Amino acid sequence: NLMLTQPHSVSESPGKTVTISCTRNSGTFASNYVQWYQQRPGSAPTTLIYEDTQRPSGVPDRFSGSIDTSSNSASLTISGLKTEDEADYYCQSYDDNDHDIFGGGTKLTVL
Amino acid sequence: EVQLVESGGGLVKPGGSLRLSCAASGFTFDYAWMTWVRQAPGKGLEWVGRIKSKADGGTTDYAAPVKGRFTISRDDSKSTLYLHMTSLKTEDTAVYYCTTYFVHSWGQGTLVTVSS
Repeated sequence: NLMLTQPHSVSESPGKTVTISCTRNSGTFASNYVQWYQQRPGSAPTTLIYEDTQRPSGVPDRFSGSIDTSSNSASLTISGLKTEDEADYYCQSYDDNDHDIFGGGTKLTVL
Repeated sequence: EVQLVESGGGLVKPGGSLRLSCAASGFTFDYAWMTWVRQAPGKGLEWVGRIKSKADGGTTDYAAPVKGRFTISRDDSKSTLYLHMTSLKTEDTAVYYCTTYFVHSWGQGTLVTVSS
């Protein structure tokens, strides 16, 4: 079964840059798009990145997505960290049955 | 403005049934593949299932834990998505979100609590 593995938590200081990884245990990101979602405490998720690198309108360009096919991983990079970026972040992709699979989520602390 | 508004959540006993609705506005609902995602208390996001647009066949897919118990349907004339849940278990307790990658939008969620 496909699993997407994310670090449980990351922390960084305001103004810095942080990268959150998402690794597949089977299949490849080369043939399956990755999406990234932000979920602030007590709120619904919102879409940050779709189709590996695309940002919906309204999402600041401080958020960027990338794929590393050599390591079968995807990454979300947040630059110029703000305290409001403190949230849970989830990656999502597709398994061989075209079913959505979510990573376990990464708690970002901005301190 | 794109909006997805879920409703229908509540407290239900194990073995019971419940129907959730998701009213959509601000985009062409007919074209959108619609998805249900849930989140158990203190846990991560879990895909429940999806329904394609009628133009793409209108077919449904479900996650293994809910297959055979949950049914997703849509009424394009009302721009509304449904999730009919039967044989509910305590482990189905979660906030249920509707979402669509068509316009990258999520609803605010509706809480379903399965408890005796």
